[in-house]
Amino acid sequence: KAGVTQTPRYLIKTRGQQVTLSCSPISGHRSVSWYQQTPGQGLQFLFEYFSETQRNKGNFPGRFSGRQFSNSRSEMNVSTLELGDSALYLCASSFAGSPLHFGNGTRLTVT
Amino acid sequence: TQLLEQSPQFLSIQEGENLTVYCNSSSVFSSLQWYRQEPGEGPVLLVTVVTGGEVKKLKRLTFQFGDARKDSSLHITAAQPGDTGLYLCAGEGTGNQFYFGTGTSLTVIP
Repeated sequence: KAGVTQTPRYLIKTRGQQVTLSCSPISGHRSVSWYQQTPGQGLQFLFEYFSETQRNKGNFPGRFSGRQFSNSRSEMNVSTLELGDSALYLCASSFAGSPLHFGNGTRLTVT
Repeated sequence: TQLLEQSPQFLSIQEGENLTVYCNSSSVFSSLQWYRQEPGEGPVLLVTVVTGGEVKKLKRLTFQFGDARKDSSLHITAAQPGDTGLYLCAGEGTGNQFYFGTGTSLTVIP
């Protein structure tokens, strides 16, 4: 069974740009969650999608958004990038919320 | 605000030594999970504990959930270089939201 796939693995953007990250969950998993990981804050919850609906949202500004498609694949978008958005963005899928199966992340660097 | 505090933040030990990592919170969780993350990879689930006072063993790793379901510990016996990594605890709150600790970075020196 293929694991969670995140693309791209690495991304370099400049301040003010926007970025879209992609996540393909494990086959059969309908829940997809997104996390931001930084050395100072650890893993912070962004949002969770289930059957194309956002079920839960963390405490991040509206510049961070996401969506889920009918095949459970998910995308996360960050607009008007700031230096502080540099982080490892992790996607996790699950069958019914728990346990979480993580991808290897997208390393975003904002210059 | 971190709901889960892990200690120690960094740990460097010799192969064969024992160690304990702590995960503490003032919040009650329906379950608590431990993950290990290696450089360049996502976290991988080690164990889920659900019942207060529960103890689970995974080879040389022993996990305990506090009676009040607010804290947990991970004990590793006879650590090996392959145990090196970032250990994360995560509490499950409402709505399938998980709150992660800041992590404990473990280095086992051969």
